[in-house]
Amino acid sequence: EVQLVQSGAEVKKPGESLKISCKGSGYRFTNYWIGWARQMAGKGLEWMGIIYPGDSDTRYSPSFQGQVTISADKSISTAYLQWSSLKASDTAMYYCARLREYQVLYPNCFDPWGQGTLVTVSS
Amino acid sequence: QSALTQPASVSGSPGQSITISCTGASSDVGGYNSVSWYQQHPGKAPKLMIYEVSNRPSGVSNRFSGSKSGNTASLTISGLQAEDEADYYCSSYTSSSTSYVFGTGTKVTVL
Repeated sequence: EVQLVQSGAEVKKPGESLKISCKGSGYRFTNYWIGWARQMAGKGLEWMGIIYPGDSDTRYSPSFQGQVTISADKSISTAYLQWSSLKASDTAMYYCARLREYQVLYPNCFDPWGQGTLVTVSS
Repeated sequence: QSALTQPASVSGSPGQSITISCTGASSDVGGYNSVSWYQQHPGKAPKLMIYEVSNRPSGVSNRFSGSKSGNTASLTISGLQAEDEADYYCSSYTSSSTSYVFGTGTKVTVL
């Protein structure tokens, strides 16, 4: 079974750094793009960016370029979303999701999804 | 890069059909057959309902169908059921960031 399992909820203070993870299993991790999406409380989904673990090719949505870093460690089949200095406005649920089709960026769609990681940033 | 435009809410009675629109541009919806639709129940992760404009993954009810005309894609739910009450999001590949973009989301209410 193809699965993405995300790391647990985090509570951080403004200015702190954070790295959350998304571990893939049941498939060849290096050959499928993985993306990250943000969902603030009561709001819609926003795509943040996407990475191809095979060669670390990474694309960011303009709104998130420079605000976060997406990376992957092929050796442990895990993708990451990282902040160097959190803000209160980073408080949200974060989802990872894998592109469904092998290797190609498009046409494609996201399936499956991780269970989500809740990040709370508060002083 | 702006989000794709969806109506904020759509409602219907059980058994009726409803259609949700998703309007973009030639750089996303209109230019690529890479439109997909996701259903999200409260507190749950999104679930793929339609991919490549009109294809249904196995296990998704055939009451869900998708189409596209120009820069607008549509999701139709026929024979509306109580379990269909959820938020729905479209998504498309976009050449403006060589990545993906979501729609603004539509809350479906079953009356």
